[in-house]
Amino acid sequence: GAVVSQHPSWVICKSGTSVKIECRSLDFQATTMFWYRQFPKQSLMLMATSNEGSKATYEQGVEKDKFLINHASLTLSTLTVTSAHPEDSSFYICSANPPNWGLLRNSPLHFGNGTRLTVT
Amino acid sequence: DAKTTQPPSMDCAEGRAANLPCNHSTISGNEYVYWYRQIHSQGPQYIIHGLKNNETNEMASLIITEDRKSSTLILPHATLRDTAVYYCIVRVGHNFGNEKLTFGTGTRLTIIP
Repeated sequence: GAVVSQHPSWVICKSGTSVKIECRSLDFQATTMFWYRQFPKQSLMLMATSNEGSKATYEQGVEKDKFLINHASLTLSTLTVTSAHPEDSSFYICSANPPNWGLLRNSPLHFGNGTRLTVT
Repeated sequence: DAKTTQPPSMDCAEGRAANLPCNHSTISGNEYVYWYRQIHSQGPQYIIHGLKNNETNEMASLIITEDRKSSTLILPHATLRDTAVYYCIVRVGHNFGNEKLTFGTGTRLTIIP
């Protein structure tokens, strides 16, 4: 089945530094990837939609200059948390669409295993 | 976009069937019902989905009412590894290639030994 891989699975960084998280689709090409954030005991909140070859679409309230998204190939999207602060500590999860996902309404979305970011 | 309502938590004895309800009274005719679960500190795992017929796979069964306003996920023989948060989601979005899933608060299922 379709596999989505995230790296790293966890990262600790100092306040003010930047952290890059990778999301890869391993056995399919993903024209669209989604980035979610999850705080403890809360549900997943969509941050942005990453589109291959074009600018990402950010959800309301998400700072695009702080959370930089690059989707330069059909198998890789990256999320960079710039100038990280302790309040950015969270569980970040990506998901990916096969190219025909929108046409096949009955195809599931595939998720990575998440990246736990701790900013000290 | 259709919203879903789930009980915040449920317990189930190990070996028994776990029945997780979900209300989606505003679902539209071409929207599917998806179920995912999230085990602690992992990404969501796809379980099953359906449109209007009941569905079964190796993980679970999905029962959708005739009016499609509610559904029930059934784990036939729950094990301790089924302890997780279960999300019932109706697929949102209208643009091909830009459809996304919106997660509610889900049901925290605890399997009791």
